[in-house]
Amino acid sequence: AQSVTQLDSHVSVSEGTPVLLRCNYSSSYSPSLFWYVQHPNKGLQLLLKYTSAATLVKGINGFEAEFKKSETSFHLTKPSAHMSDAAEYFCVVSAGSASKIIFGSGTRLSIRP
Amino acid sequence: NAGVTQTPKFRILKIGQSMTLQCTQDMNHNYMYWYRQDPGMGLKLIYYSVGAGITDKGEVPNGYNVSRSTTEDFPLRLELAAPSQTSVYFCASSYGTGGTYEQYFGPGTRLTVT
Repeated sequence: AQSVTQLDSHVSVSEGTPVLLRCNYSSSYSPSLFWYVQHPNKGLQLLLKYTSAATLVKGINGFEAEFKKSETSFHLTKPSAHMSDAAEYFCVVSAGSASKIIFGSGTRLSIRP
Repeated sequence: NAGVTQTPKFRILKIGQSMTLQCTQDMNHNYMYWYRQDPGMGLKLIYYSVGAGITDKGEVPNGYNVSRSTTEDFPLRLELAAPSQTSVYFCASSYGTGGTYEQYFGPGTRLTVT
């Protein structure tokens, strides 16, 4: 069985400060892991994905995530937040099958000027 | 290249009415999906398709039907709408299984059933 937990429903940071969005997963198989971003009234867009290659994954817009098997975590980070980063972020775990794609409940990121 | 398009953007239905949500992709993707997103929740898979003529149920298929007669189109049918179907519906597509490949999402359809 698979599951994914996003540990914070809402994160607020000041512009120019680091961003950390936390994601823990559970999977019986070697998982693929994704981070998607959803801006208001838009569809989801892929930020980055891990599929058993390098454990540190770089994505778009300066985001990166590190796959830590021992901690079953896949936290999303960015060194310096920008106002345009304000959005909802979803962590996704998959065992590879189209029907076994599990979305986390989302983390809303707010950026303070 | 329009990507994934969905119509309508918004719809209000009365209880018991039916409607079809349209989804089209122009990327020649084999896999297509329908999700619903309820407030404060992640996306739940309703139905998916691995190619024209092949569909399968996801996690929450009750009250919905789908068909896939072409690679491009994957309409979602709601029969006898109920308030529990009030949600935002997203269509997505991917080149291979979305478990490994990136999924491309449409902008969503916001449906209210009253």
